[in-house]
Amino acid sequence: EDQVTQSPEALRLQEGESSSLNCSYTVSGLRGLFWYRQDPGKGPEFLFTLYSAGEEKEKERLKATLTKKESFLHITAPKPEDSATYLCAVWGSGYALNFGKGTSLLVTP
Amino acid sequence: EPEVTQTPSHQVTQMGQEVILRCVPISNHLYFYWYRQILGQKVEFLVSFYNNEISEKSEIFDDQFSVERPDGSNFTLKIRSTKLEDSAMYFCASSDGINGYTFGSGTRLTVV
Repeated sequence: EDQVTQSPEALRLQEGESSSLNCSYTVSGLRGLFWYRQDPGKGPEFLFTLYSAGEEKEKERLKATLTKKESFLHITAPKPEDSATYLCAVWGSGYALNFGKGTSLLVTP
Repeated sequence: EPEVTQTPSHQVTQMGQEVILRCVPISNHLYFYWYRQILGQKVEFLVSFYNNEISEKSEIFDDQFSVERPDGSNFTLKIRSTKLEDSAMYFCASSDGINGYTFGSGTRLTVV
């Protein structure tokens, strides 16, 4: 059974203080790993898809990387508007995405 | 930017009543999904729909749930006899099968 574990559960950063979020996974036949951002009361907003180990993608202050066992979402010099819950999801053998519980990020001025 | 539209944004219903949640997926997408998120828990897969039929469903998607694409643009989730534990955010999503899913903003279902 596919498993996705995200850590930490919650993270508080000062504005400008870079850090990384972790997503560890076990899946039979990874077809894709997704990162989403979710604001309170809203749907997940797509950030990145990673397909194979070694792949990296960047968007503004975010950079996602992938290994055979985990993915990292690096946040460089975060701003308060980056505060949100960041969700990791794996796409394995079926149609479904299997989500982790998310990391709740708070960036303070 | 194309988006997935869900209505209503909030639905309150009495236990035992039927509810229909509606979604308009992105027009050129072929794959459609329903997920739910109980407050404080992770996003959970319910069902996927492709080529006018269910392609996969989870254990949660039992006989009280059904999906339909009644016309070329809408995609609906029906819950026949709601229970208190059905209270959750329900998200519709669509995909072109290559890129990431696009999720709607969700319908908050409250069963009282």
